Amino acid sequence: DTGVSQNPRHKITKRGQNVTFRCDPISEHNRLYWYRQTLGQGPEFLTYFQNEAQLEKSRLLSDRFSAERPKGSFSTLEIQRTEQGDSAMYLCASSSRTGEGAQHFGDGTRLSIL
Amino acid sequence: QKEVEQDPGPLSVPEGAIVSLNCTYSNSAFQYFMWYRQYSRKGPELLMYTYSSGNKEDGRFTAQVDKSSKYISLFIRDSQPSDSATYLCAMPRGGGYQKVTFGIGTKLQVIP
Repeated sequence: DTGVSQNPRHKITKRGQNVTFRCDPISEHNRLYWYRQTLGQGPEFLTYFQNEAQLEKSRLLSDRFSAERPKGSFSTLEIQRTEQGDSAMYLCASSSRTGEGAQHFGDGTRLSIL
Repeated sequence: QKEVEQDPGPLSVPEGAIVSLNCTYSNSAFQYFMWYRQYSRKGPELLMYTYSSGNKEDGRFTAQVDKSSKYISLFIRDSQPSDSATYLCAMPRGGGYQKVTFGIGTKLQVIP
């Protein structure tokens, strides 16, 4: 069990550029979540996948955001035309369908918009 | 009113002290309760996961749930400098998956 892996750890980009983040969940977990965390706040739910199906999207996820999980393995989160307000830590978590299903988090991708 | 309320602190205690961290919630649909620890520039790490009202102990950590008052607590005994972190309470919704609502987090500093 290597845990949830997120890449890159830090992304700096200019306003208006597109960025893509990757998440590799724990291998036996079929559920995958994306959260956003800003300074001094708890993580806020963005979207959820069960296998390859995206089952829920938060209202926080504007049209500029898109997430995919092809083949139910890794997931990507893309932000188009980045804005200053997109600066945050983007966290990925995964959980199994069985048992308590508690979510295990990666160390996140910190996005800084210049 | 937020669904989950948590005092952001910061809370500063001497090494060896007993620490009490608390959250209140307003949504009766919350049935499961979790505590996460988050070190600076790291992701949240699951500490405790409880369902029932009452106490659950794991080493120096005790989670307490009072569903009638919608109040949960995390106690840390014999606190250590390595416990210095932000502690987040978290509550998943049911319905087949677990969209989690987090508290704002309480920043704890344990002074040697």
